[in-house]
Amino acid sequence: GEDVEQSLFLSVREGDSSVINCTYTDSSSTYLYWYKQEPGAGLQLLTYIFSNMDMKQDQRLTVLLNKKDKHLSLRIADTQTGDSAIYFCAEQYSGNTPLVFGKGTRLSVIA
Amino acid sequence: SQTIHQWPATLVQPVGSPLSLECTVEGTSNPNLYWYRQAAGRGLQLLFYSVGIGQISSEVPQNLSASRPQDRQFILSSKKLLLSDSGFYLCAWSPTVAEAFFGQGTRLTVV
Repeated sequence: GEDVEQSLFLSVREGDSSVINCTYTDSSSTYLYWYKQEPGAGLQLLTYIFSNMDMKQDQRLTVLLNKKDKHLSLRIADTQTGDSAIYFCAEQYSGNTPLVFGKGTRLSVIA
Repeated sequence: SQTIHQWPATLVQPVGSPLSLECTVEGTSNPNLYWYRQAAGRGLQLLFYSVGIGQISSEVPQNLSASRPQDRQFILSSKKLLLSDSGFYLCAWSPTVAEAFFGQGTRLTVV
């Protein structure tokens, strides 16, 4: 069955890098996503990666995918207080199937 | 550009009362539509998804139902709310390939 696991909390100092980790179980997943949720708001798509990629970089965000270990990570460089939020990892088997989300990692940035 | 509207933003309903949450999408046709529920410590739970008018897949048997009367309209309903129905309800849409875009959510409190 599908299952996505994340640690629930992460605390970093402003200016440091944050690394949020995620493991998934469905080796057939085609797309893997990172979403950000600020308090009281919906989810904002940050980035996604296809399963045939190892890495994707977008400004301060770097996504690494280890398909063998079914491990996905999101690195945020130069973390700012505005990055404080809950970050969700999600997997999707194909474009017409629903996303399956992890429980989210609450990132706290200390000034 | 595509936009998603979800309302109301907050709702307080007594136990046993009916529920109707509405979600509409603009700027696209034949989207995949989703209802998720977010409860504290449980991440996002997929409730229903729809790949077309009148086509509803239910992921979790419970006190809720969904309908898609029009291509870009998705409604979440209940005939009689339970206390356990409290949570943050999120509507989302996706094109046929990849990504999902979320509404701002409805905070439902059943009292």
